[in-house]
Amino acid sequence: DIQMTQSPSSLSASVGDRVTITCRASQTISRDLNWYQQKPGKAPNLLISAASTLQSGVPSRFSGSGSGTDFTLTISSLQPEDFATYYCQQTFSPLVTFGGGTKVEIK
Amino acid sequence: QVQLVESGGGVVQPGRSLRLSCGASGFTFSDYGMHWVRQAPGKGLEWVAVIWYDGSNIYYVDSVKGRFTISRDNSKNTLYLQMNSLRAEDTAVYYCAKDGAFGGGDGMDVWGQGTTVTVSS
Repeated sequence: DIQMTQSPSSLSASVGDRVTITCRASQTISRDLNWYQQKPGKAPNLLISAASTLQSGVPSRFSGSGSGTDFTLTISSLQPEDFATYYCQQTFSPLVTFGGGTKVEIK
Repeated sequence: QVQLVESGGGVVQPGRSLRLSCGASGFTFSDYGMHWVRQAPGKGLEWVAVIWYDGSNIYYVDSVKGRFTISRDNSKNTLYLQMNSLRAEDTAVYYCAKDGAFGGGDGMDVWGQGTTVTVSS
């Protein structure tokens, strides 16, 4: 199975900060990488698919990049509603796997 | 609007069975792959299983293989997860999710609200 490693596992940041989360795959996955946001008690929400395609309705401060094994989710200017947990997910293999998550907390 | 609604969760003893259902509306259910994803209390997301739009391909995470069965009834716009030989480690919120493609190779763009399964004696 393809292992997905996210870093950091948590971070503290202030409103307006630029935040970067990384995700590394245990083998090449081309650009078959998606990013989700999850708030407490809620279902995850798809932010970005295919490494860099922003989903409809997702603010443009979110962006994704990368290919192969290394990927990045960037929030250009953190807003109060962005405090949440973020997960990467690979769909290169039919055995889908998620990263362990990155919790973004208020500093 | 596009919606997924899970049902069937509850408290069950170890070794027993439970069947989850997920009703879909607002989109052409038979065109899309469907997933089950679970989240144990305080833990991250774990993908459980996927079924292609027509049921022709099915895949499971190793930890549920041989115990869980994913299926779908396109005439009823419903996804199922039959869970047998349940273990304490199966305790989680179970989400159904729609794939963006006919198989399982796209992002999960619609999620249900989740149904809680607790395995305990």
